[in-house]
Amino acid sequence: EIVLTQSPATLSLSPGERATLSCRASQSVSRYLAWYQQKPGQAPRLLIYDASNRATGIPGRFSGGGSGTDFTLTISSLEPEDFAVYYCQHRSTWLLTFGGGTTVEIK
Amino acid sequence: QVHLVESGGGVVQPGGSLRLSCEASGFSFSSYGMHWVRQAPGKGLEWLAIIWYDGTTKYYADSVKGRFIISRDNSKNILYLEMNSLRAEETAVYYCARDLYGRSGFSDLWGQGALVTVSS
Repeated sequence: EIVLTQSPATLSLSPGERATLSCRASQSVSRYLAWYQQKPGQAPRLLIYDASNRATGIPGRFSGGGSGTDFTLTISSLEPEDFAVYYCQHRSTWLLTFGGGTTVEIK
Repeated sequence: QVHLVESGGGVVQPGGSLRLSCEASGFSFSSYGMHWVRQAPGKGLEWLAIIWYDGTTKYYADSVKGRFIISRDNSKNILYLEMNSLRAEETAVYYCARDLYGRSGFSDLWGQGALVTVSS
């Protein structure tokens, strides 16, 4: 099983600041990685797939990068609605796994 | 409007069984792979299973293999998750989700979730 480790666990930032979230895989997942956003009481929402492709309707301030074992999700300028929990997920094998999540909170 | 609506959640005793359903609408259900994902209270997401668009191929997480069965009825636009030998630690919200482009492994449409409580 591929383990995804997200860091930091919590990111405390102010609106307008840049957020950089990390996801590290225990072995290469090529570019088969996605990022999701989840707000309290809601289902997850797909942001990024295949490491860097924005899903339909996702604002341009969200961008993804990386390949192999190291990936990043960048939010260029935080909007109030961006404070949430973010998860990465791989599909390198058909034993899919999610990372433990990063909470982006208001400082 | 595209929608996924789960049903069948509730309280079940440890060792018991439960079947969840997920009704799809607004898109061509038979063209997409489908997933089940769960989330224990206050915890992260755990992927459980995927079924190909035509039902011919299924994959499971190790934690549920042999106890859970994913299936679908494309004539009724419904996805199922049969859960057996349930454990207390499997108390969670169970989500069904549509695969992004058939069998990408990523989910672009999610239901609102069904709460399953395993307790005596």
